[in-house]
Amino acid sequence: QQQVKQSPQSLIVQKGGISIINCAYENTAFDYFPWYQQFPGKGPALLIAIRPDVSEKKEGRFTISFNKSAKQFSLHIMDSQPGDSATYFCAASEPPNSGGSNYKLTFGKGTLLTVNP
Amino acid sequence: NAGVMQNPRHLVRRRGQEARLRCSPMKGHSHVYWYRQLPEEGLKFMVYLQKENIIDESGMPKERFSAEFPKEGPSILRIQQVVRGDSAAYFCASSPQQGYYGYTFGSGTRLTVV
Repeated sequence: QQQVKQSPQSLIVQKGGISIINCAYENTAFDYFPWYQQFPGKGPALLIAIRPDVSEKKEGRFTISFNKSAKQFSLHIMDSQPGDSATYFCAASEPPNSGGSNYKLTFGKGTLLTVNP
Repeated sequence: NAGVMQNPRHLVRRRGQEARLRCSPMKGHSHVYWYRQLPEEGLKFMVYLQKENIIDESGMPKERFSAEFPKEGPSILRIQQVVRGDSAAYFCASSPQQGYYGYTFGSGTRLTVV
């Protein structure tokens, strides 16, 4: 059972455009939703994260939108640049008081983003 | 300040051989986590270790897989009698305290079983 579903699998965007990656989850106990960026041959690196008490979080060109009732969250990359070309993973975690932990993440399958110059 | 160091970067093993993957955490980090990334899949948690202790191995396959983090030296993920299905990227992360907030991932070891 896939707990975090990510789409699309791949995405091609022109330089300057908006990249949008979506994730949906089933487990309503999830309370932490990070996004990771992974360049080829490298490990994932934390990009931005959100908790369900806010609907949006913005850091520079990167924005997370969170819809608790729909159990969905998305990453928006504004003014996409060729240097943003990478694989993006959404993830989620369940708190310790509902059977989870503060150290274990459940990842989506990833989205390969290509930004053309 | 070096990041999380994993070696080897690439490892090829024949079916039935043993694979040893090493992870040296960042300086000052005493918590280590291993994740596995199968082809076209997301990362999946395998095990969480502190020095000389396995804290949570709920994601480890029941057979052939083991992990350790000795008092001195790197953390080791050992896979005995490898099979083709073990082919994957294995990532290690470390943190200064328990928790993913401080996660720093290494570049991974790509294991290929032929």
